[in-house]
Amino acid sequence: DTEVTQTPKHLVMGMTNKKSLKCEQHMGHRAMYWYKQKAKKPPELMFVYSYEKLSINESVPSRFSPECPNSSLLNLHLHALQPEDSALYLCASSQDSGSSYNSPLHFGNGTRLTVT
Amino acid sequence: AQSVTQPDIHITVSEGASLELRCNYSYGATPYLFWYVQSPGQGLQLLLKYFSGDTLVQGIKGFEAEFKRSQSSFNLRKPSVHWSDAAEYFCAVGAYNNNDMRFGAGTRLTVKP
Repeated sequence: DTEVTQTPKHLVMGMTNKKSLKCEQHMGHRAMYWYKQKAKKPPELMFVYSYEKLSINESVPSRFSPECPNSSLLNLHLHALQPEDSALYLCASSQDSGSSYNSPLHFGNGTRLTVT
Repeated sequence: AQSVTQPDIHITVSEGASLELRCNYSYGATPYLFWYVQSPGQGLQLLLKYFSGDTLVQGIKGFEAEFKRSQSSFNLRKPSVHWSDAAEYFCAVGAYNNNDMRFGAGTRLTVKP
């Protein structure tokens, strides 16, 4: 069982839809991450929240909008996506936001997103 | 910025045989190195990590990895592979004082009966 919970597991949406991906952890971690993973590719970093503030945004298109309501929750709001945005979206958390030292990432099982 | 290279896209080994997966990193200072495993449709699970100290680190599921600074490598090994080890393996490198962890392209492991 993973300690990072992502919902939904699967999502199919049209290009005009608005949907949200949710992520929750109760390990007391203060950094949370969104990664995008295409088939047979490594995870690509999208966003990092450190102490509930956005600290890294890897030039992600504005149709992806992250939100961190509190230290345990992370959302990714989706609007007007394109078919090429179809991928596995992984949430992760780590203990120490200031450094990856001593702070490996703990991943959820992801949300498989299909944009039609 | 740090980066990592996994030279082998796909490796096939027989069950019971030994395994070595290669990883080379690029970073100007002391790297923080990780190996993760991903089964189909799942998230990534941490196998082991290296920060400092003993260059041979032990992980879960019988895996170990050796940090060699002179070769900028952090290869993953297992003495005897089990069929359940078939998965995608990612090497990752982090840097001190940032949250930017970079992953290699991954190595897909197939285990023959």
